[in-house]
Amino acid sequence: DAKTTQPNSMESNEEEPVHLPCNHSTISGTDYIHWYRQLPSQGPEYVIHGLTSNVNNRMASLAIAEDRKSSTLILHRATLRDAAVYYCILNDGNEKLTFGTGTRLTIIP
Amino acid sequence: ETGVTQTPRHLVMGMTNKKSLKCEQHLGHNAMYWYKQSAKKPLELMFVYNFKEQTENNSVPSRFSPECPNSSHLFLHLHTLQPEDSALYLCASSQEWLQNTGELFFGEGSRLTVL
Repeated sequence: DAKTTQPNSMESNEEEPVHLPCNHSTISGTDYIHWYRQLPSQGPEYVIHGLTSNVNNRMASLAIAEDRKSSTLILHRATLRDAAVYYCILNDGNEKLTFGTGTRLTIIP
Repeated sequence: ETGVTQTPRHLVMGMTNKKSLKCEQHLGHNAMYWYKQSAKKPLELMFVYNFKEQTENNSVPSRFSPECPNSSHLFLHLHTLQPEDSALYLCASSQEWLQNTGELFFGEGSRLTVL
């Protein structure tokens, strides 16, 4: 399985942007980069995914490095509801979706 | 509300009991999954069903027995469990099995405690 590396935890102030990094130096050309998050006492929820180009949706933006060996999930204006564990996952479509330990994001009011 | 409903939300059982977890999805998806989330550990994929056929069994002990009677329902039958099986069991569904762009929809989980 292609692996990802994320910081264990991060803190951010409310109403400020948050940049969550992910390293995936062994990514292959067919791997999509997916982000999920898990709020307390809930199952994970999909946030965003991309292949090569940067992506935006109503929840977040995904910035993918030109060599695709790293990516950054951007929350433009963090709220207390964004406190969660964020998972960066590679998906080649042929393997089981493997979740790591993710980054625990704490939002400071 | 994600469209994936799991029952019961909480379950306490003894090691000799037999119980079942139920998952139902209202999204018209064709693939369903069971994941296990233990304390301080990453999510572990247990089983995958695609069009009601089991396509993945991730070396799960036989005391866990899945059943998928149709594309909308998934069960996990539990018997002779051990205390270390206590965990949050998550059901998920997707349109098809692990397309590159496939999005997984998770339920809220069933919190299992084995005494």
